[in-house]
Amino acid sequence: SQTIHQWPATLVQPVGSPLSLECTVEGTSNPNLYWYRQAAGRGLQLLFYSVGIGQISSEVPQNLSASRPQDRQFILSSKKLLLSDSGFYLCAWSVRPGTQYFGPGTRLTVL
Amino acid sequence: KNQVEQSPQSLIILEGKNCTLQCNYTVSPFSNLRWYKQDTGRGPVSLTIMTFSENTKSNGRYTATLDADTKQSSLHITASQLSDSASYICVVSARNDYKLSFGAGTTVTVRA
Repeated sequence: SQTIHQWPATLVQPVGSPLSLECTVEGTSNPNLYWYRQAAGRGLQLLFYSVGIGQISSEVPQNLSASRPQDRQFILSSKKLLLSDSGFYLCAWSVRPGTQYFGPGTRLTVL
Repeated sequence: KNQVEQSPQSLIILEGKNCTLQCNYTVSPFSNLRWYKQDTGRGPVSLTIMTFSENTKSNGRYTATLDADTKQSSLHITASQLSDSASYICVVSARNDYKLSFGAGTTVTVRA
């Protein structure tokens, strides 16, 4: 069966510090991978998606970047965090249109 | 533009009571509609999925309906339990599109 992992589960970082969130998927090959951000009381906002190694599409201009160094690994990064980067970050995977499976999420607080 | 709107934004119900959540969408061409349950601080978990030809889908005490003509869906929770307290998100996908359209969610609070 397929599983998706995210870490860390929670993170508190000062403004201006770097960020690295990791997502890995097990039990499937060549998945599409997604990073979402969920602000309090808001819907999920798609940040990045990837259809293959090294292929990243950005949905909104922002302070964040994403990379996919391996088939089942997706990393969300920032060189300098802003207060507005606080939120709940979700990674998801899919192998066919219309179906995505979500990870447990990372709660990021920027102080 | 593909959009998904949910109502109400939040609701409070007493344990054992029923409630219904609404979802309207403008996604086209329609592929499927999912209802997700998201506990606080957790990732969303799929409750039901319906395609164009399906009108009703149940998962235990959760029953989802779909009217593809009016582009409306509802999620009915029967005999609510404290564990039903969560955010319920309506998600619609367009045909052959890997990206999804999300509603903002309805926060349900069940009180004893």
